[in-house]
Amino acid sequence: EDQVTQSPEALRLQEGESSSLNCSYTVSGLRGLFWYRQDPGKGPEFLFTLYSAGEEKEKERLKATLTKKESFLHITAPKPEDSATYLCAALNFGNEKLTFGTGTRLTIIP
Amino acid sequence: DAGVTQSPTHLIKTRGQQVTLRCSPISGHKSVSWYQQVLGQGPQFIFQYYEKEERGRGNFPDRFSARQFPNYSSELNVNALLLGDSALYLCASSDPGLAVEETQYFGPGTRLLVL
Repeated sequence: EDQVTQSPEALRLQEGESSSLNCSYTVSGLRGLFWYRQDPGKGPEFLFTLYSAGEEKEKERLKATLTKKESFLHITAPKPEDSATYLCAALNFGNEKLTFGTGTRLTIIP
Repeated sequence: DAGVTQSPTHLIKTRGQQVTLRCSPISGHKSVSWYQQVLGQGPQFIFQYYEKEERGRGNFPDRFSARQFPNYSSELNVNALLLGDSALYLCASSDPGLAVEETQYFGPGTRLLVL
C-alpha cells in the first residue's frame, strides 16, 4: 500500500530562518510527487509537481527537490505569510488517487 | 480563469440524513476527484471520474456515491450520515489527457458538520 510520511509535524521558525520540510514516500511506481500549501479551512493550493529523481523546482522562497525515496521542500528566508500547512502527495502508475501525508504545519514568527 | 468551484461552502446535517455536494471543474478539465479531509489529517481519496466514468474508488463505504455529468461537473452523495462523516470535502480537477499534466487542482471545499 502506498504511504507518504511528512516530518516534522510542526515547525516554528523566526522570520528569515531557512529550513527544510521532509516527505518520505513508498509507492509501487511513482508517477508524480506533488506539494501543496493549505491555509486553515481552505482547499490545498498547488505548488509543485516533480516527476523524476534529481528534479528541482523553485517558486519565490520555495524550492522542491526529489530523490528516489523522498522529497524536500526548502524554504529560504521565510516571511510570516509563508505560515501554512504544507502537504505532500504521491501519485503512482497503478491507480488514479493522490496519497497524501498528514502535512507539516509551518509557523513563521515575525 | 475560474478555478474549481464547490457548493455549498458549509452544511450542517443530522445523523441519518443524506447530503449532496457539488463541484465544477476548471474549464477544459475532464477529470474530477473527491477527497475527505478530517481535521489534522491529509485528504483521503474517495472517487475519481473521467469522461463520466468512475476510474478509481477509495476505501469508503457504499454510503458514498458520485457521478459526473456531460459538462464534467460532479456530485458527491453521502447517505445515512454518521458523526464521523464530519469533514472538509474537497473536489479536485485535472486533465489527464495531457501527456505530462497530472496535477490535481483543488477547490475551496465544503465543510460538512453532522450533529
